[in-house]
Amino acid sequence: DGGITQSPKYLFRKEGQNVTLSCEQNLNHDAMYWYRQDPGQGLRLIYYSQIVNDFQKGDIAEGYSVSREKKESFPLTVTSAQKNPTAFYLCASSPDRLQTGNTIYFGEGSWLTVV
Amino acid sequence: AQKVTQAQTEISVVEKEDVTLDCVYETRDTTYYLFWYKQPPSGELVFLIRRNSFDEQNEISGRYSWNFQKSTSSFNFTITASQVVDSAVYFCALTSYSSASKIIFGSGTRLSIRP
Repeated sequence: DGGITQSPKYLFRKEGQNVTLSCEQNLNHDAMYWYRQDPGQGLRLIYYSQIVNDFQKGDIAEGYSVSREKKESFPLTVTSAQKNPTAFYLCASSPDRLQTGNTIYFGEGSWLTVV
Repeated sequence: AQKVTQAQTEISVVEKEDVTLDCVYETRDTTYYLFWYKQPPSGELVFLIRRNSFDEQNEISGRYSWNFQKSTSSFNFTITASQVVDSAVYFCALTSYSSASKIIFGSGTRLSIRP
């Protein structure tokens, strides 16, 4: 089936550790995104990538890093510099740039808890 | 400025009632795109509909209908004969040339359908 796969679904991390969330899509989409959602809140953009080997910071990039070495993959690393990383993380993709009216599709999300 | 306002934070209705979720948007662009997404308790954001600014025709899909009115900058969503499975958080969103690679989400409306 075509779609966006995020793993793991649930992840526990000790303070001071880095953790990487996986996001893979087989939709042949050019653009990929990472969003953070806190309980009862809306979505905030962390990073986005419109093409392989290129990515841009979103609204809350501090403490996060990404890579886009392959079209289908856009992993997110939550570093120890992120002061409050406990949240729900959503990966998304779109065929092309959003400003031309493309629809963005989301994965099932990953719950990260820092203990 | 780009903005999406969902003034209804939470709505609770009894099953089989009709319910309307409000969405008001702001943009200076003449070409823009509006979206509705559903987020069930599992967390994934499910795409429901996309509407471009030049198409003001209302749309119906089963029990779902959308009313787009440019004169009031609104894109409201109605569920007819609601069911318990409709319980979720619903997000209205906007993209346009000015929003670049970002999709502007409203804060969401939590809909609870009581049996």
